[in-house]
Formats: sequence, C-alpha cells, structure tokens
Amino acid sequence: NAGVTQTPKFRVLKTGQSMTLLCAQDMNHEYMYWYRQDPGMGLRLIHYSVGEGTTAKGEVPDGYNVSRLKKQNFLLGLESAAPSQTSVYFCASQQIDGYTFGSGTRLTVV
Amino acid sequence: AQSVAQPEDQVNVAEGNPLTVKCTYSVSGNPYLFWYVQYPNRGLQFLLKYITGDNLVKGSYGFEAEFNKSQTSFHLKKPSALVSDSALYFCAVRDISGTNAGKSTFGDGTTLTVKP
Repeated sequence: NAGVTQTPKFRVLKTGQSMTLLCAQDMNHEYMYWYRQDPGMGLRLIHYSVGEGTTAKGEVPDGYNVSRLKKQNFLLGLESAAPSQTSVYFCASQQIDGYTFGSGTRLTVV
Repeated sequence: AQSVAQPEDQVNVAEGNPLTVKCTYSVSGNPYLFWYVQYPNRGLQFLLKYITGDNLVKGSYGFEAEFNKSQTSFHLKKPSALVSDSALYFCAVRDISGTNAGKSTFGDGTTLTVKP
C-alpha cells in the first residue's frame, strides 16, 4: 500500500516552460488536493477535487490547472512557469478524516 | 468560514521537559481537528485527530491534544520531549458540516526545537 505518490520529486524549469505534476493514490479516496508550501506561509490550497471528473479552485489557483480523469490520479499543470511558482508542492487525499500526504515535489523556476 | 491560528512560530524546550504547541480555531459549526508533523524534506504525517468523544486525544509518538470547546483550542502536548521530536507542526480544522468539501484549513506551522 503506497498511499500517495508524487512524481517527480525534483524539477528545475525555465521561465515559460510547462510541466505536469502527477499525484496517484491507491486508497480509493474521493477527495484530493494540491497545496504549495512556502517559507513562513504554511500550506496554501491550489486546487482540489471531490471526485472523478470534478475539480475546483482553492485559494491560490492562478497559473495552475488540474485534471481528475481517473479517481486515483490528480494532475497539476503549469502552462507557463514563473519564478513565483518556485515552491514545494504537496498532494493529499482523504476519505472521511485526516489527510494522507505525498512526499512532495520541489520545483524551482529560473 | 474556518480558520486556524498557531500563535507561536517557534517553541524551544529542553529534552525531558513537557512541551506544548498551541492552536486555536474558528468554525461556524462543530470541528474536526488535526495535528500533522513535518520532518525536514518530508511530507506531512498525520499525528492525531479529534472528531468526537473524549476531549483528550492520544496520538502517535506519545503526543496528545486537548480539545477545549469554550476556548476554541486544540493544544498539542507531550509529557517528556525528545530531541527526535524536533520538527514543524501543523494544526488543521475542518467544519464537520462538510460545506467546505472536506477541505481542511491549516495553520502556518510551529517549529519545535528540543535541545539535549
């Protein structure tokens, strides 16, 4: 039982490049979330999904898109990366109580 | 709306001493409350939760937390701190009514440092 798996773990992008972060969970959870973590700012919700085929905006959605085509996968896309998107990105899933987090993706945009 | 406050950015304690990491919350209904721990370069790990029942909740690694409805607090405690407890701790709240689509709101985190 792997829980929540994020790929890749590290990535360096040039400004303007695009990429997709993949989150996969094997716990059959309905709810999935993407957060970014920046020093002194805690966790900020980017987008979330309450089930397959659904997505919704969190508190900092600009510059990101998401898709949930399959229940187990939640993809986070950056269409045109900016240095302000340098951060650590965490995916999480939950069923009823408590989140299970992935190990994070450290993204640097230069 | 729901919110969480962790009033201390940093807590320093000596090994063997008791520790407390503070958390207060605000929700419109009844809360689900959580504590998570993050070790360096790792994801957040679930530590304990309050859903209903006893106000004193016991979790992993000897940690416990006390739910106080009148003070809207959920402080994390441990009777005897270990150096290995040094980490970043997050409190989180979710409104039990489910109107927030299951979303938890996290505090900004408290860095706990336990000195030998």
